[in-house]
Amino acid sequence: DAGVIQSPRHEVTEMGQEVTLRCKPISGHNSLFWYRQTMMRGLELLIYFNNNVPIDDSGMPEDRFSAKMPNASFSTLKIQPSEPRDSAVYFCASSSGTDLSYEQYFGPGTRLTVT
Amino acid sequence: KNQVEQSPQSLIILEGKNCTLQCNYTVSPFSNLRWYKQDTGRGPVSLTIMTFSENTKSNGRYTATLDADTKQSSLHITASQLSDSASYICVVIMKTSYDKVIFGPGTSLSVIP
Repeated sequence: DAGVIQSPRHEVTEMGQEVTLRCKPISGHNSLFWYRQTMMRGLELLIYFNNNVPIDDSGMPEDRFSAKMPNASFSTLKIQPSEPRDSAVYFCASSSGTDLSYEQYFGPGTRLTVT
Repeated sequence: KNQVEQSPQSLIILEGKNCTLQCNYTVSPFSNLRWYKQDTGRGPVSLTIMTFSENTKSNGRYTATLDADTKQSSLHITASQLSDSASYICVVIMKTSYDKVIFGPGTSLSVIP
């Protein structure tokens, strides 16, 4: 299996632009998670889906962030408009379980830089 | 307040030596605790997952312990290798109407020859 696939691996954009991050979970997994990691705040869970349905989005920092999972094999995290403080590494993870108790497999991450 | 603390913040050891990383948490109600290893520039990789009833769990040279009474966990690395150089993150899952995840800040381990 190829594991969790994320694209792009690196993204540099100017403040105010829209950014879309993409994730393909491991085939057969039914939970998907979006995380953000910064030096200051460490790892933070932004949102997670179970069977394509958002379960907990309390970690989404503000309305500029939105996430969708139109089908079992694809999810997007969108930031509109982007701001310099959104600069971070964004990880996607998937698991075969229905909640956070199951082992999660992380993708390689997308390093976002907003100038 | 639900928190996870880790110590030390960073550690340097000689190759071949053992080391122990600590994790203290105040999360309640507790579901499970896991240790992740994160290499620089990579995503975290799960080392162990421990539930309330488990005291010890091993994964190769990694052994995690859990004391649910004192809310402490440790990760012991035996016969360290250069490839063990990474950040080790303690994560506690909180059981509510839906699960919540609380991350520790991580311990940065450097193994030198």
